[in-house]
Amino acid sequence: GAGVSQSPRYKVAKRGQDVALRCDPISGHVSLFWYQQALGQGPEFLTYFQNEAQLDKSGLPSDRFFAERPEGSVSTLKIQRTQQEDSAVYLCASSLVGRDTEAFFGQGTRLTVV
Amino acid sequence: AQKITQTQPGMFVQEKEAVTLDCTYDTSDQSYGLFWYKQPSSGEMIFLIYQGSYDEQNATEGRYSLNFQKARKSANLVISASQLGDSAMYFCGGGNNRLAFGKGNQVVVIP
Repeated sequence: GAGVSQSPRYKVAKRGQDVALRCDPISGHVSLFWYQQALGQGPEFLTYFQNEAQLDKSGLPSDRFFAERPEGSVSTLKIQRTQQEDSAVYLCASSLVGRDTEAFFGQGTRLTVV
Repeated sequence: AQKITQTQPGMFVQEKEAVTLDCTYDTSDQSYGLFWYKQPSSGEMIFLIYQGSYDEQNATEGRYSLNFQKARKSANLVISASQLGDSAMYFCGGGNNRLAFGKGNQVVVIP
């Protein structure tokens, strides 16, 4: 498809388990963003890539969170030793470079840690 | 970094009426963009409208217009002629590459 694709759509993890969330951005989009959205809240910024370079990771809540985009297209958000407070929807967005271009969002991955 | 504030409680809007959603922001950036997104119950974030900080004209996109008052640091969204399909959460976002979002406004359009 032509939009941002995220997989899996739903993930249930046992506390302590590692998870990997995948994002396929729109082809040709240089910028890629990850957000975390808790129930009833707005999306919270996690990290930002421009091509393969991770330019901002200041929103990652702990060192258990790690994101990569090795070839400047597909990105993976990895959460190690998941905890219940990690339960949220993880949104990926991509855009052309520049401040005045809108970001297109995927449908998100709903992570539930039990 | 940007801080976005949306404080209105959820609102009911009569179909075909206009609704204004408030958004204020705080930033130290000289140049930034302001966005509104719609999030229906299905969860996807749908881009509605963009305003650049140096744009002198208010942005419009169909039934959506952005009332940008730079001195007051506000970027309110106006939806004209509300439709039932407009029922959703609406998020104001702003920033320079890194977008920050407010907590959202819940809108329910009633026939």
